[in-house]
Amino acid sequence: QQPVQSPQAVILREGEDAVINCSSSKALYSVHWYRQKHGEAPVFLMILLKGGEQKGHDKISASFNEKKQQSSLYLTASQLSYSGTYFCGTEIITGKLIFGQGTTLQVKP
Amino acid sequence: DTAVSQTPKYLVTQMGNDKSIKCEQNLGHDTMYWYKQDSKKFLKIMFSYNNKELIINETVPNRFSPKSPDKAHLNLHINSLELGDSAVYFCASSQPSDSYEQYFGPGTRLTVT
Repeated sequence: QQPVQSPQAVILREGEDAVINCSSSKALYSVHWYRQKHGEAPVFLMILLKGGEQKGHDKISASFNEKKQQSSLYLTASQLSYSGTYFCGTEIITGKLIFGQGTTLQVKP
Repeated sequence: DTAVSQTPKYLVTQMGNDKSIKCEQNLGHDTMYWYKQDSKKFLKIMFSYNNKELIINETVPNRFSPKSPDKAHLNLHINSLELGDSAVYFCASSQPSDSYEQYFGPGTRLTVT
């Protein structure tokens, strides 16, 4: 039931782009994306709802393929502040998020 | 103003002890959660309350008992602590009208020795 994220880890130089994928075996109400920096709490980035509505960060984009139960998070022109672990959370039952295993992103100068 | 707060931030205790973690949110949200994050960063939902009513109760040992005295507070009591309970416990809150966007507290790092 846990969604699968790929890749597990990414290392980038500042200014480079990255894509993080999240795949579920279950039909989804929504997909959430969160970023967690070391020693801190996860912070909301974006929600993608069934039907196409998106809510969240204006500098980060994402897509949601409802038929394939897949979502991708696009990080363009990465900055040092983008470093952290990214989690997708899939909503199969209303209000209940199941998180993926996380993708660690490191942006180097 | 802190939106979701937890106390204590760190908790070090011995096996067999009983401990509690407290959580408060001032966002006016109806739904609150407890998550456990293990050493591999796996973030797993444990419980959820909506307006003081338990709505999600995952496969968690009976030693864990949540309590919500009002919709702004959600506490977690753990009996007979075991080594495997060592983790970071996050409280979170959300609102259905916000598509359940989760606001996380700072976490409580529990270490059982």
